[in-house]
Amino acid sequence: ETGVTQSPTHLIKTRGQQVTLRCSSQSGHNTVSWYQQALGQGPQFIFQYYREEENGRGNFPPRFSGLQFPNYSSELNVNALELDDSALYLCASSLLNNEQFFGPGTRLTVL
Amino acid sequence: AQSVTQLGSHVSVSEGALVLLRCNYSSSVPPYLFWYVQYPNQGLQLLLKYTSAATLVKGINGFEAEFKKSETSFHLTKPSAHMSDAAEYFCAVSERDSASKIIFGSGTRLSIRP
Repeated sequence: ETGVTQSPTHLIKTRGQQVTLRCSSQSGHNTVSWYQQALGQGPQFIFQYYREEENGRGNFPPRFSGLQFPNYSSELNVNALELDDSALYLCASSLLNNEQFFGPGTRLTVL
Repeated sequence: AQSVTQLGSHVSVSEGALVLLRCNYSSSVPPYLFWYVQYPNQGLQLLLKYTSAATLVKGINGFEAEFKKSETSFHLTKPSAHMSDAAEYFCAVSERDSASKIIFGSGTRLSIRP
């Protein structure tokens, strides 16, 4: 059984650029949640996708968007990057309303 | 609105000593409660969760937590600390009718002294 994987592991962008982060969910899971973890803080919920539809969203602006594909993998897109977007981005997969399994994260640095 | 407060951003104990990490929650409905551990440069691993069964919850690696509704607390304990327990620990809460959105505390860094 393959766990949750994320790519890339590290990424450096400049302010104003756009970025796409990827997540492959654990086999059999149909739900993917994304979290942002700023340095020294706990993760904050960005949004969740269930069967390719957004199923809840946290307090993040529209420039944070996502997709879920038929194989339940997912992308997080961030437009017009700001310095404060620098963080560890965590993806978690699950069956809906069940335990979430987290990937290792993507470290994004915005210069 | 739900929230979690972790008391103490950094806790240091000696190897073999009791570990106590404090967590208080706020929720308008009976919550699900979780403790996660994060090792450096890794994702989150679930230590244990409370979902309305027994109030004393046993988790992995010898950790346990007790749900106390009267105190709105869910403190994490381990009788004897091991060097490998050094990590960041997060208390978290979610609503019973929607386990999709997890609200995390700010974390407590546990250091173990030899």
